[in-house]
Amino acid sequence: EVQLVQSGAEVKKPGESLRISCKGSGYTFTNYWISWVRQMPGKGLEWMGRIGPSDSDTDYSPSFQGHVTISADKSINTAYLQWTSLKASDTAMYYCARNNWPLDYWGQGTLVTVSS
Amino acid sequence: EIVLTQSPDTLSLSPAERATLSCRASQTVTSNYLAWYQQKPGQAPRLLMYGASTRATGIPDRFSGSGSGTDFTLTISRLEPEDFAVYYCQQYGTSPYAFGQGTKLEIK
Repeated sequence: EVQLVQSGAEVKKPGESLRISCKGSGYTFTNYWISWVRQMPGKGLEWMGRIGPSDSDTDYSPSFQGHVTISADKSINTAYLQWTSLKASDTAMYYCARNNWPLDYWGQGTLVTVSS
Repeated sequence: EIVLTQSPDTLSLSPAERATLSCRASQTVTSNYLAWYQQKPGQAPRLLMYGASTRATGIPDRFSGSGSGTDFTLTISRLEPEDFAVYYCQQYGTSPYAFGQGTKLEIK
C-alpha cells in the first residue's frame, strides 16, 4: 500500500527555522517525484515545487523560489520542506504528494503555525 | 505561466441533481494534462480525474470529465451526499503546475 506519512504539527515564532518531512512507503521512492502543496487557512491549493528523489533535481514555482528549500534523502525514502526564517504568512497546512502526474497519493498534511 | 479559473466559486444543488463544474486555462494545456481533485473538510485532497477524462482508481462512474485545450468540465451525474466538497482542477503539462481556485459544491 502506497503511503506518504508527514511529520507532526509545528508551532514556531517568526524568524525561526523549520524542516518538515514526508516519508514514502509501499513503492520505489526514487521512481516518483514528490510535490509540496500549500493550503493557507480557508484558502485553496498552491503548488510549491517538487523534487526527484533519485538525483534531488528540483523544480520550484516562481511564487516560492527562494522562500523555501525542497530536499530529499533517498536512503530513508524521505522528502523535506525547509524554511530558514519563518514569517506569520507561512502559517498553513502543507501537503506532500506523489507525482505520478497527476498527484495520485497525498500525505495527511502538516500544520505549521507561525506566531509570536 | 498558466492560470486556471474555475466557475462557479460556489454551486448550491440538492442530492440527485446534476453538477457541472468548469475550469478554464489561460493557455492551452499540454496534452490535456488536466486533473480534478476533491477535498472534504479536514482531509487531504483526493485525485478524481486525470488526462481530463480518465477516472482515478475507485472513483464512481457518476463522475466524468471532458474538455480539451483551454476548457474543461467535471460533471457529477447524480449527486450523492458524500459528493458535497470543494473541487480543484490542476494542469500538469507545464511548470508551474497551478491549481484553480476551487469550486465549493454545497447542499441546497
